Amino acid sequence: DTAVSQTPKYLVTQMGNDKSIKCEQNLGHDTMYWYKQDSKKFLKIMFSYNNKELIINETVPNRFSPKSPDKAHLNLHINSLELGDSAVYFCASSQDISGGLYGYTFGSGTRLTVV
Amino acid sequence: GQSLEQPSEVTAVEGAIVQINCTYQTSGFYGLSWYQQHDGGAPTFLSYNALDGLEETGRFSSFLSRSDSYGYLLLQELQMKDSASYFCAVRDSSYKLIFGSGTRLLVRP
Repeated sequence: DTAVSQTPKYLVTQMGNDKSIKCEQNLGHDTMYWYKQDSKKFLKIMFSYNNKELIINETVPNRFSPKSPDKAHLNLHINSLELGDSAVYFCASSQDISGGLYGYTFGSGTRLTVV
Repeated sequence: GQSLEQPSEVTAVEGAIVQINCTYQTSGFYGLSWYQQHDGGAPTFLSYNALDGLEETGRFSSFLSRSDSYGYLLLQELQMKDSASYFCAVRDSSYKLIFGSGTRLLVRP
């Protein structure tokens, strides 16, 4: 199936741990994103890569580090997890950096719970 | 600053028409998009307006007025499966897609 797939779907971990979320798209898109959705369903951009180049780096704690080994993959590593990091993290991709006409395709999300 | 305003909740009856409004204030404007998200699901792209006017896609239509910094999503012949959250989003001059806080639509029988 053509899609944006992210793993794991659920992640429960203790404070202070380090965890990674992986994302892959097989749509041939050039641009990939990480969004965070909080408990009030507010979607906030975190990072964006275009052809492996970081183009958006929002004001997020430097405990969050994205990595794009190639344009089909965008991973998110989080160090020293805190309670406030609990949220749903969505990976998304778009055909190009404009992302307009055909929109973004989102992965199914990773629900991160820090205890 | 950048902000998008949309109602938090709308309720409508099956078969009816509902309009979800969105007003925006962003640094640069490169189009207004709409996304649908069912509970527990991923946002899915519905529509995109770069120019003023109405775009129709089946039961859903989207409108944009750039001079008023305003747009809306119109859903016709509502079905129970349309119960979801709807987000307007604007791309700004730094290529960020900024989302509104979402409108929860509840369709009643």
